[in-house]
Amino acid sequence: DAKTTQPPSMDCAEGRAANLPCNHSTISGNEYVYWYRQIHSQGPQYIIHGLKNNETNEMASLIITEDRKSSTLILPHATLRDTAVYYCIVRVAGFRNQGGKLIFGQGTELSVKP
Amino acid sequence: ETGVTQTPRHLVMGMTNKKSLKCEQHLGHNAMYWYKQSAKKPLELMFVYSLEERVENNSVPSRFSPECPNSSHLFLHLHTLQPEDSALYLCASSQGRGSKDGYTFGSGTRLTVV
Repeated sequence: DAKTTQPPSMDCAEGRAANLPCNHSTISGNEYVYWYRQIHSQGPQYIIHGLKNNETNEMASLIITEDRKSSTLILPHATLRDTAVYYCIVRVAGFRNQGGKLIFGQGTELSVKP
Repeated sequence: ETGVTQTPRHLVMGMTNKKSLKCEQHLGHNAMYWYKQSAKKPLELMFVYSLEERVENNSVPSRFSPECPNSSHLFLHLHTLQPEDSALYLCASSQGRGSKDGYTFGSGTRLTVV
């Protein structure tokens, strides 16, 4: 599975959009980009994933560059409860009993401030 | 509630004790995982079970012994642990190892070895 690079920490003002970048320059054509977050001392929570098209759900938007070498997770209106560590992970998926492992890096520690 | 339940939430054990961590999922998934998260470190994948068969053991010491009696339950049996084994132990499940839908995590068991 390809490696990802994220900034170790970011700040965001409450109510503003939080844009979290991720570099995955060695991503393969069959690897998906996943985002998870972990609020202090809880289990990681799935946010969103995508292959090459931009994706949006009730939690966030995922923007993937055309060359797929980087992506940005957007939390449109950050709240204090969005303070967490955000993980960007790439993995092969789509095969029921085969696929890449979910391997976590250090992630980005997002602090949402009042 | 994520649909993955871990018990106990907290556990303190001596180095000579034997204890077990339990994970139960109510999502109809057929793959389950144990992760370890030590302080200030990324999550480490320990074991992978698919269709109740262990398919991966990531060089985990034998003092950790997993058991998957059916697709809904996963145990981690602990014996003669060391203080450095103190960590948050997380269980996750997915609909197949390669599922695009990603993993669902429990809230974890906070283990302290004294």
